[in-house]
Amino acid sequence: RKEVEQDPGPFNVPEGATVAFNCTYSNSASQSFFWYRQDCRKEPKLLMSVYSSGNEDGRFTAQLNRASQYISLLIRDSKLSDSATYLCVVRNNNAGNMLTFGGGTRLMVKP
Amino acid sequence: DTGVSQNPRHKITKRGQNVTFRCDPISEHNRLYWYRQTLGQGPEFLTYFQNEAQLEKSRLLSDRFSAERPKGSFSTLEIQRTEQGDSAMYLCASSLDRGYPYGYTFGSGTRLTVV
Repeated sequence: RKEVEQDPGPFNVPEGATVAFNCTYSNSASQSFFWYRQDCRKEPKLLMSVYSSGNEDGRFTAQLNRASQYISLLIRDSKLSDSATYLCVVRNNNAGNMLTFGGGTRLMVKP
Repeated sequence: DTGVSQNPRHKITKRGQNVTFRCDPISEHNRLYWYRQTLGQGPEFLTYFQNEAQLEKSRLLSDRFSAERPKGSFSTLEIQRTEQGDSAMYLCASSLDRGYPYGYTFGSGTRLTVV
C-alpha cells in the first residue's frame, strides 16, 4: 500500500464547477501536509499548505482530518487554467524535510 | 539567482550507458534533494544532502546510482549501466533547513529516456 493514496482521476468538469479531491495517508508520524500542482511535463509547485483548522486561499479550500488521516482540496468556480495534476504531499518533520507524494489526481476543466 | 537549475533538460541514452545529471540549487539553500518521477506517478524521494553530507538514501537508490555534492553547492546524480526502467523525470529541489515550505523549490527536471 502506498503511503499517500489519491484517486488518479481524471476529473472532467465544466468551467465554473466545484470539484473536490481527497487523499489518505498511512504514516501517523506525518506532521505537515500540502497540496502541490503539477502541469504537464513541468515541476511540481506548492499550491497551499493544509492546516488542522482548515484553510482557504481564494477559490481553494484545504481540510485536514488527523484522526482519519485524510486530506481534501476543494476548488470552487473552476477555471480552464486549473487543469493540472494535483499532488497530495505529506512530510515527517523528523525525517530530513523530504516529501512523500501521492500519485496525483488529474483535473481537466472544459469550456 | 533565478531558482533551481538542472542540466540537461532531456537525455536519451542507450541501455548500458552511464549518464550524469547536474543540479544547481538556490545559492543560499543548504539542503538539496533528488526525486524521481515516472509517468502517472508522483515524485519519489531518492536522496538528500545537508551541505556536502549525504544524510538519507532511499531504497530506490540502487548500487547503480550515486549522488555527490562535493562542495555543498551543486550536485550530480550518476546512473551507471542504465536500464529501461530508469526512464523517468529526475527532479532536484533545494531548501533552507528552516522556514519550510516556502523555500522548498523544485528545478524543471531532467527527463531521461533509455532506449
